[in-house]
Amino acid sequence: GAGVSQSPSNKVTEKGKDVELRCDPISGHTALYWYRQSLGQGLEFLIYFQGNSAPDKSGLPSDRFSAERTGGSVSTLTIQRTQQEDSAVYLCASSVDSQSTDTQYFGPGTRLTVL
Amino acid sequence: LAKTTQPISMDSYEGQEVNITCSHNNIATNDYITWYQQFPSQGPRFIIQGYKTKVTNEVASLFIPADRKSSTLSLPRVSLSDTAVYYCLVGPAGHNQGGKLIFGQGTELSVKP
Repeated sequence: GAGVSQSPSNKVTEKGKDVELRCDPISGHTALYWYRQSLGQGLEFLIYFQGNSAPDKSGLPSDRFSAERTGGSVSTLTIQRTQQEDSAVYLCASSVDSQSTDTQYFGPGTRLTVL
Repeated sequence: LAKTTQPISMDSYEGQEVNITCSHNNIATNDYITWYQQFPSQGPRFIIQGYKTKVTNEVASLFIPADRKSSTLSLPRVSLSDTAVYYCLVGPAGHNQGGKLIFGQGTELSVKP
């Protein structure tokens, strides 16, 4: 079946603009995660959704970052007033459930460049 | 969450066995050990997961000693296509604790002809 998809694959924006990144998880997966990977760095957890529970936002770097998940499926990560340090690859992953024994399936990522 | 330490980079040649060791001295009783592989311009991909002793699948083996303070990912007979970054992760199990993955720097494996 289809894997995790993300759009756009690349996004170039100007400093101060808002951007929206989209993630379509694997159908039936209740858990959805957003990570960020800066150039040459490991992945940094941002936020995670599990079913109808309140999301775990503990990884969001500032209040300019927010995310929502509509209908328990598609998720949108929004970055307001983008800064150059926001430039990174934003990765989305989904899993059947949120137990750490559940494999997380990653999408191809959105490469964000803030000029 | 337990911190992991692994070599920054490793070099190998095609056909060799590669062993990447990860240290996790503060691993908790309910922590699992998971390895992910990441190719350039792609998201990470699950390789293998274990709790103790040895786990083997079609891709790799994972060796975990009795004290669980380290683990070794073993890739048999690597090929050029195994060139990637390999991440060792340690995280809690259990429902409703959240499965967020904590990634370290990873080990950049370079396989040469």
